[in-house]
Amino acid sequence: GENVEQHPSTLSVQEGDSAVIKCTYSDSASNYFPWYKQELGKRPQLIIDIRSNVGEKKDQRIAVTLNKTAKHFSLHITETQPEDSAVYFCAATPFQGAQKLVFGQGTRLTINP
Amino acid sequence: NAGVTQTPKFQVLKTGQSMTLQCAQDMNHEYMSWYRQDPGMGLRLIHYSVGAGITDQGEVPNGYNVSRSTTEDFPLRLLSAAPSQTSVYFCASSTLRGDRISGANVLTFGAGSRLTVL
Repeated sequence: GENVEQHPSTLSVQEGDSAVIKCTYSDSASNYFPWYKQELGKRPQLIIDIRSNVGEKKDQRIAVTLNKTAKHFSLHITETQPEDSAVYFCAATPFQGAQKLVFGQGTRLTINP
Repeated sequence: NAGVTQTPKFQVLKTGQSMTLQCAQDMNHEYMSWYRQDPGMGLRLIHYSVGAGITDQGEVPNGYNVSRSTTEDFPLRLLSAAPSQTSVYFCASSTLRGDRISGANVLTFGAGSRLTVL
């Protein structure tokens, strides 16, 4: 089955700097790669996703890149703000949508003022 | 529209006790699933269902049972609780059809149930 590895486990950046979180996956059949944000004590919520027929997707300050050949994808957050502090999870699945999503271990991002 | 509702929010059990975590959604989602969240382990899929009467195992199904008698409800049963089942449990649902914006399904999570087994 699918296995998703996520790095780093913790990340601390200065407010205004950029943050990058990286994930690798094992199943070459995977074609849907969402990213979820979980604030302290809250439920995970989708922030951005990308499908295998797209190499990059951007939504304001966040972007995701996908390299299918290398089987890795990354989350980029620019101009970080205190409200970006949270745990971020990447995920992958060979299904068209959210079925059987396999999650990475999570990255705790801290934005220092 | 309440979304995904989980009960209870907190529960303490003794080893060997049984209990059921309830999950209900009012979005007419075909797909429902249960995840457990442990520190440093991310979210791990326990069981999932693609419709009433259909269930299947995820990554960590041992010690848990599920059933799906209606589209709305997907309870998770612990038959004989063990300390290793201490965790936060999330129920999540989605459509099986593509989302009209992204073209993919969005997994909507419940608020979570924190279970402690002593």
